[in-house]
Amino acid sequence: EPEVTQTPSHQVTQMGQEVILRCVPISNHLYFYWYRQILGQKVEFLVSFYNNEISEKSEIFDDQFSVERPDGSNFTLKIRSTKLEDSAMYFCASREDRSNQPQHFGDGTRLSIL
Amino acid sequence: SQKIEQNSEALNIQEGKTATLTCNYTNYSPAYLQWYRQDPGRGPVFLLLIRENEKEKRKERLKVTFDTTLKQSLFHITASQPADSATYLCAPSNNQAGTALIFGKGTTLSVSS
Repeated sequence: EPEVTQTPSHQVTQMGQEVILRCVPISNHLYFYWYRQILGQKVEFLVSFYNNEISEKSEIFDDQFSVERPDGSNFTLKIRSTKLEDSAMYFCASREDRSNQPQHFGDGTRLSIL
Repeated sequence: SQKIEQNSEALNIQEGKTATLTCNYTNYSPAYLQWYRQDPGRGPVFLLLIRENEKEKRKERLKVTFDTTLKQSLFHITASQPADSATYLCAPSNNQAGTALIFGKGTTLSVSS
């Protein structure tokens, strides 16, 4: 069964550095998402992406964050000038362009800011 | 603002019993509701989707109900097994394609043998 893959599985970065998290969504999916989960808390929506542009974003997704689909297969989340509170699991998800379809999640990147 | 409450953070049951998890929502009129399972250190995995015009949906040992009057969904696992131990998340959704999922905090189910 096709799956969403994320790399790296664990990223350790110094505070203030930039980090790029990578995702390969399922090939025929057209909607892409990033979520984050701080340890012990709920999964929170960050941003959705469709047709090469952001379709929705949450209050968390401020100017520090950006997303890109640099080619036909990758979907990236960039965090500029990382802060300690950015430490979390970041999940990528994708879904088909049909109504009432579930989202398929990757297994996440654990981001640790030191 | 939209709010999702799942009945309890933790539910402990014995193997073979039926687990019932509750999801209540407010300030919402979702067109459908999804349930996901999350294991520690893993991403959520889709289990079931129920539409607003469906009262009940089943898949193997899983059953979901959706009561739009009560603004509540119940998620049942019958003949529970230790392998069912995980956190279960509900996510009411509207009908717009591409809409983000807003999850509840989840209920962590522990099934003991």
